[in-house]
Amino acid sequence: AQSVTQLDSQVPVFEEAPVELRCNYSSSVSVYLFWYVQYPNQGLQLLLKYLSGSTLVKGINGFEAEFNKSQTSFHLRKPSVHISDTAEYFCAVKRGRGSNYKLTFGKGTLLTVNP
Amino acid sequence: NAGVTQTPKFQVLKTGQSMTLQCAQDMNHEYMSWYRQDPGMGLRLIHYSVGAGITDQGEVPNGYNVSRSTTEDFPLRLLSAAPSQTSVYFCASSYDLAGVSEQFFGPGTRLTVL
Repeated sequence: AQSVTQLDSQVPVFEEAPVELRCNYSSSVSVYLFWYVQYPNQGLQLLLKYLSGSTLVKGINGFEAEFNKSQTSFHLRKPSVHISDTAEYFCAVKRGRGSNYKLTFGKGTLLTVNP
Repeated sequence: NAGVTQTPKFQVLKTGQSMTLQCAQDMNHEYMSWYRQDPGMGLRLIHYSVGAGITDQGEVPNGYNVSRSTTEDFPLRLLSAAPSQTSVYFCASSYDLAGVSEQFFGPGTRLTVL
């Protein structure tokens, strides 16, 4: 079974600063990796995903993530954050290929961008 | 397209009461699922369905029932509510069963069990 660890439960940053939200996963097979964002009182929406190919994945709103197989990590980065990026961010993993449809989520990282 | 809709948005129940959380999608997605979100726990899968008439258990199925009689609807039933079921419930759907596409989430139902 796969699992996801988000290493920081809260990350406070100042506006226009860079940010990195860390995610590590464990799985004995190949995986698909996702980052979702949840704005206050809303459902989740997809930021980006890694399925295969280039290890650097670009998503919406200027976010990007890098898949590192040797370190089993999929950290999310943004070079300059805005107040509007304040939200909770979830890393998720799914076993690649096969008929396992289940998406396993991490516990979330609350990003707070301060002026 | 309305996407994924959930009703009600808020609900308060007393211990032992039953209710159904409604979920519908108009995107003709085969895969639908229910999650609960609790502080510090992330999202945990309750039940999922890969098509009409086919459902299976997720990570935390106890106390919940589901059925899928149509592609569009995937209701979640609480047979006898308990305070431990106080949570925010999200329904999600996706079009492909391989899981490479994104899941589209509804706005959530906030349930309080007294």
